[in-house]
Amino acid sequence: EPEVTQTPSHQVTQMGQEVILRCVPISNHLYFYWYRQILGQKVEFLVSFYNNEISEKSEIFDDQFSVERPDGSNFTLKIRSTKLEDSAMYFCASSEVMGPFGQYFGPGTRLTVT
Amino acid sequence: QKEVEQDPGPLSVPEGAIVSLNCTYSNSAFQYFMWYRQYSRKGPELLMYTYSSGNKEDGRFTAQVDKSSKYISLFIRDSQPSDSATYLCAMSGGTGANNLFFGTGTRLTVIP
Repeated sequence: EPEVTQTPSHQVTQMGQEVILRCVPISNHLYFYWYRQILGQKVEFLVSFYNNEISEKSEIFDDQFSVERPDGSNFTLKIRSTKLEDSAMYFCASSEVMGPFGQYFGPGTRLTVT
Repeated sequence: QKEVEQDPGPLSVPEGAIVSLNCTYSNSAFQYFMWYRQYSRKGPELLMYTYSSGNKEDGRFTAQVDKSSKYISLFIRDSQPSDSATYLCAMSGGTGANNLFFGTGTRLTVIP
């Protein structure tokens, strides 16, 4: 069964450093999303992406965040200058059609900022 | 942000029991309601979804939405140890209809 994959599974970085989290969505999906979950808190929407453009973003997704589809298979989330409060599990999701249904989630990348 | 409230549990039930999981919400614009299951170290997996009010059944799972009370439920009949996981409600609607607003998740353990 096709699945969303994410690398790395765990990333440790120092405050102020840039990190890139990578995702390979399901191959025929056209809509991509990033969510994050701070330990003990809710899963929160960050951004949705379609046709090489951001479709929607939350207020969490400020100027230190960016997303990119650098090639036909990868979808990346870059955090320019990490802060301690960026420590969280980051989930990538993809869907065949835009909308709340049918979003398939990857296993997540645990980001630890020290 | 308290748009979606969910009792975090944990909830322990014996095998075969009926499980009831619930969420309340405050945003009357929500029209789409989902239940996700999340196993340890895995991403959320979509279990069921409903649009607007009503019931939906899929095997041992039944999802109910009561928009007048802003209350949604997931019932699991004949619960199995393999149902042990964290269950997340999620919903969306209105502006930002593609964004999912999640509850905190309820951790369920089904004891053999």
